[in-house]
Amino acid sequence: GNSVTQMEGPVTLSEEAFLTINCTYTATGYPSLFWYVQYPGEGLQLLLKATKADDKGSNKGFEATYRKETTSFHLEKGSVQVSDSAVYFCALISHAGNQFYFGTGTSLTVIP
Amino acid sequence: DTAVSQTPKYLVTQMGNDKSIKCEQNLGHDTMYWYKQDSKKFLKIMFSYNNKELIINETVPNRFSPKSPDKAHLNLHINSLELGDSAVYFCASSQGPGQNEQYFGPGTRLTVT
Repeated sequence: GNSVTQMEGPVTLSEEAFLTINCTYTATGYPSLFWYVQYPGEGLQLLLKATKADDKGSNKGFEATYRKETTSFHLEKGSVQVSDSAVYFCALISHAGNQFYFGTGTSLTVIP
Repeated sequence: DTAVSQTPKYLVTQMGNDKSIKCEQNLGHDTMYWYKQDSKKFLKIMFSYNNKELIINETVPNRFSPKSPDKAHLNLHINSLELGDSAVYFCASSQGPGQNEQYFGPGTRLTVT
């Protein structure tokens, strides 16, 4: 079956710290992988995506690389800001499927 | 212009009542979804429609009934509300049912007392 496992939060970092949020997946076929971000009181927004192995998605200083050999799609940012405080969701959609599978979300708080 | 909109944003009601949440998208997408997000932020898909036809119907009580009058709208009607229905409900849309990103609405926070 298909599933996504994310590191549990909450995560608290100081401004300008390095961020890693781990995400691993199980899927049949060749899924596309996504990171979504949910700011307080808002809906989810697509942050970045990768559709095939070794692709790197990037946006707003965030990056994630699709690693087929380790079935991972870890989210990284070199220097976080207070405005990055949000809940981050890793997700996949299988090659043949029509359904997103979301991880449980990781809450990030960045303190000045 | 809001791409995916939902009304109402907040809904407080009593157990046993029937309520509806409306969703509209102006992106020209073919596929729409309803998700439930619980208090721990866990997201669970409930339904998906493609071109007004139901394509995903997860294990959801039959008190929940989606209705899609046209491609741009997917409404959620809930009968006989229960305390456990309290959650944030998100509508989303995508270009098609395949490997396409989904665009989410702002959510409707439903509180059942």
